[in-house]
Amino acid sequence: KQEVTQIPAALSVPEGENLVLNCSFTDSAIYNLQWFRQDPGKGLTSLLLIQSSQREQTSGRLNASLDKSSGRSTLYIAASQPGDSATYLCAVLPGETSGSRLTFGEGTQLTVNP
Amino acid sequence: KAGVTQTPRYLIKTRGQQVTLSCSPISGHRSVSWYQQTPGQGLQFLFEYFSETQRNKGNFPGRFSGRQFSNSRSEMNVSTLELGDSALYLCASSEQGGGETQYFGPGTRLLVL
Repeated sequence: KQEVTQIPAALSVPEGENLVLNCSFTDSAIYNLQWFRQDPGKGLTSLLLIQSSQREQTSGRLNASLDKSSGRSTLYIAASQPGDSATYLCAVLPGETSGSRLTFGEGTQLTVNP
Repeated sequence: KAGVTQTPRYLIKTRGQQVTLSCSPISGHRSVSWYQQTPGQGLQFLFEYFSETQRNKGNFPGRFSGRQFSNSRSEMNVSTLELGDSALYLCASSEQGGGETQYFGPGTRLLVL
């Protein structure tokens, strides 16, 4: 059974700092990995999607890497801003099944202080 | 394009009642998935529908059911509500459900008293 773990559970940083969020998964047979952000009481916003054959994806100040063999992904946020405060979730899609059954981690709650 | 919409946004029910939640996917998207989010269990997959057929199902009791219509809109139904069913119910849509980006709606917050 796939398990996804995110460390740390919570993180508080001053504005402008670069930071790294970690995600690990137990079964390396994944199709892809997706990073989301969730604002309090809201739905999820997709940030980056990395296919299993890719090593990284970039969007603006965000960079996500994937090491499938070791079961790890990182989300790097450069020059953090208060607007980045949210919960960040990673999710994996299994490689052996069809469809859209994502397994999520518990999330990292990020607070960026002005 | 309009995003994924969910109705109602908030709902209060009592134990034993049943509830129906609705999800309208992004235009052109044929796959709709449902997730339950609670503080204790996090985000858990309920089921996925594609072209009016249930394609995947999570580990939830039979009280949780769903369906999809020909216009790809989906509904989920929970019968005989329990206190533990209180949660944020999220739906997500994608074009084919084949591993492309999934887009989530704002969710329906269900409170069972």
